[in-house]
Amino acid sequence: EAQVTQNPRYLITVTGKKLTVTCSQNMNHEYMSWYRQDPGLGLRQIYYSMNVEVTDKGDVPEGYKVSRKEKRNFPLILESPSPNQTSLYFCASSPGQANFGDQPQHFGDGTRLSIL
Amino acid sequence: AQSVTQLGSHVSVSEGALVLLRCNYSSSVPPYLFWYVQYPNQGLQLLLKYTSAATLVKGINGFEAEFKKSETSFHLTKPSAHMSDAAEYFCAVGYSSASKIIFGSGTRLSIRP
Repeated sequence: EAQVTQNPRYLITVTGKKLTVTCSQNMNHEYMSWYRQDPGLGLRQIYYSMNVEVTDKGDVPEGYKVSRKEKRNFPLILESPSPNQTSLYFCASSPGQANFGDQPQHFGDGTRLSIL
Repeated sequence: AQSVTQLGSHVSVSEGALVLLRCNYSSSVPPYLFWYVQYPNQGLQLLLKYTSAATLVKGINGFEAEFKKSETSFHLTKPSAHMSDAAEYFCAVGYSSASKIIFGSGTRLSIRP
């Protein structure tokens, strides 16, 4: 089954304790992206990756890091989490760069982070 | 800058009534347009997409959307609402020259029995 898998689904942690949210897709997609969803703001892009070893900032990258060492994985790293990073996070993937704009994205089920 | 506006953060309709969710975009170039649905505790799922082949696009679960260039709109409709349609709906726009898709702020659809 084609899917994007995120772990963990829920996490409560404290300020300053490094955490990683994993994302894996089994569709051989080139493009992967991280979003955060906050009430009234829709989805805002944090980082994206066009392919292995190619990553770039989205609209709200501050406080986050990513890496793309393998095509299927795109972890999101919070080195020193703060309460304003409490949010619902989604990983998504789509086939590739060419005609990117018309490609629908496949989403994971989300990770709800609470930073106390 | 390109943007997407969804009018109404919350829409409530009776079961069996028409569903109309509004989406307007700002763009000087032809966009690709999408509607996604998000059920509770789930990720977004694609409902339908417009890529210039036809202005009226049919999607899953009886939804459709019409692209109106003159109004820069891409409203989502369904003739008869079901209780199972209760969810949050997102309009999104993409461009072939860009590396991301822009999402609207979402509209929560409630269905009254």
